[in-house]
Amino acid sequence: DAGVIQSPRHEVTEMGQEVTLRCKPISGHNSLFWYRQTMMRGLELLIYFNNNVPIDDSGMPEDRFSAKMPNASFSTLKIQPSEPRDSAVYFCASSSQGTDEKLFFGSGTQLSVL
Amino acid sequence: SQKIEQNSEALNIQEGKTATLTCNYTNYSPAYLQWYRQDPGRGPVFLLLIRENEKEKRKERLKVTFDTTLKQSLFHITASQPADSATYLCALDNTGGFKTIFGAGTRLFVKA
Repeated sequence: DAGVIQSPRHEVTEMGQEVTLRCKPISGHNSLFWYRQTMMRGLELLIYFNNNVPIDDSGMPEDRFSAKMPNASFSTLKIQPSEPRDSAVYFCASSSQGTDEKLFFGSGTQLSVL
Repeated sequence: SQKIEQNSEALNIQEGKTATLTCNYTNYSPAYLQWYRQDPGRGPVFLLLIRENEKEKRKERLKVTFDTTLKQSLFHITASQPADSATYLCALDNTGGFKTIFGAGTRLFVKA
């Protein structure tokens, strides 16, 4: 298996623009997580899905952030409009909850909002 | 409030020595606790998981302990090597396994 695949690897955008981050989880995994990592706040859980259904989005910072999982093999995290304070590394992770709790992370998307 | 605390200061040790990293938590009752390794520019990689009814877990040079009374986990790397230099994160579940929360991590430097 190729592991969790995230795209793009790097994204540079201007304040106010829409940003869409993409994630393909490991085939067969039933849970998907979006995390954000910064030096100041560490690795923060934004939202997680189980069987494509959002279970807890309490970590989503504002209404500017939204996430979808239209099917078991794809998820997006959208920021609209983006702001400089959104600059961070965004990680997607998947797991097979119920049988194996460990998370498999993608390589992350380095987002810079100018 | 809920907290997961790891030593924010970097840990510097000599090659061959044992590295011990600490993870303390408050206001959580995790069913299990995990340790991950993160290298610069990469996502965290799973190392070990220990459940609440286990006191100790080993994997090669790694050992994890879990004390639910002290609300603490210790992570040991024996016979440390420069290749062990990385950031180590502890993580625990919040609601029966689905919501995995991470500590800020401890940076380990192993000198040759």
